[in-house]
Amino acid sequence: GNSVTQMEGPVTLSEEAFLTINCTYTATGYPSLFWYVQYPGEGLQLLLKATKADDKGSNKGFEATYRKETTSFHLEKGSVQVSDSAVYFCALTLANAGGTSYGKLTFGQGTILTVHP
Amino acid sequence: DAGITQSPRHKVTETGTPVTLRCHQTENHRYMYWYRQDPGHGLRLIHYSYGVKDTDKGEVSDGYSVSRSKTEDFLLTLESATSSQTSVYFCAISGGDFPGGTDTQYFGPGTRLTVL
Repeated sequence: GNSVTQMEGPVTLSEEAFLTINCTYTATGYPSLFWYVQYPGEGLQLLLKATKADDKGSNKGFEATYRKETTSFHLEKGSVQVSDSAVYFCALTLANAGGTSYGKLTFGQGTILTVHP
Repeated sequence: DAGITQSPRHKVTETGTPVTLRCHQTENHRYMYWYRQDPGHGLRLIHYSYGVKDTDKGEVSDGYSVSRSKTEDFLLTLESATSSQTSVYFCAISGGDFPGGTDTQYFGPGTRLTVL
């Protein structure tokens, strides 16, 4: 079956530190990969996505590159801010030619990020 | 922001009672999903819908049923609530450009359900 594994959290950083959150996946077919962010008390928001190998998704200073050879989609940011404190989820969906995935997402367990001033 | 509302936002109920959660969208999106969020598990798909009256099971569907009688509403029912169903429930919608492509899922604000 399909699965997503994220690095164990929580992660605590000082403001302006470099962030990496690891994400690896197992999937049949050709997955598209996503990072979602959940701020306290809110629903999930799409942060970035990549739909094929070697694509780089980017948004709000965050980046992630779809690495098929290592089945990874690690999230990075060069300088985090207090406002980046949130829970980050890696997820995948299968976009196969048969179209039977219906866009269903498989999520990792989430990584809590806390950034201190 | 995508127009998705969930009701109620918070509910406390007792074991054995039926509970219905509602998801309402104003985007006219075809695909709708119910997930539950639990610590250490991320979000897991309960049921999904790919059109009016078209629904199917997800990963953790036991003890849950759904209905979709019109495009804008997707109801999740816990037939007889148990303490293991204490969770935060999220609805999501997608316009869906699959097959062959992918689309973004937009999430509602969530419903916190406590079963005593």
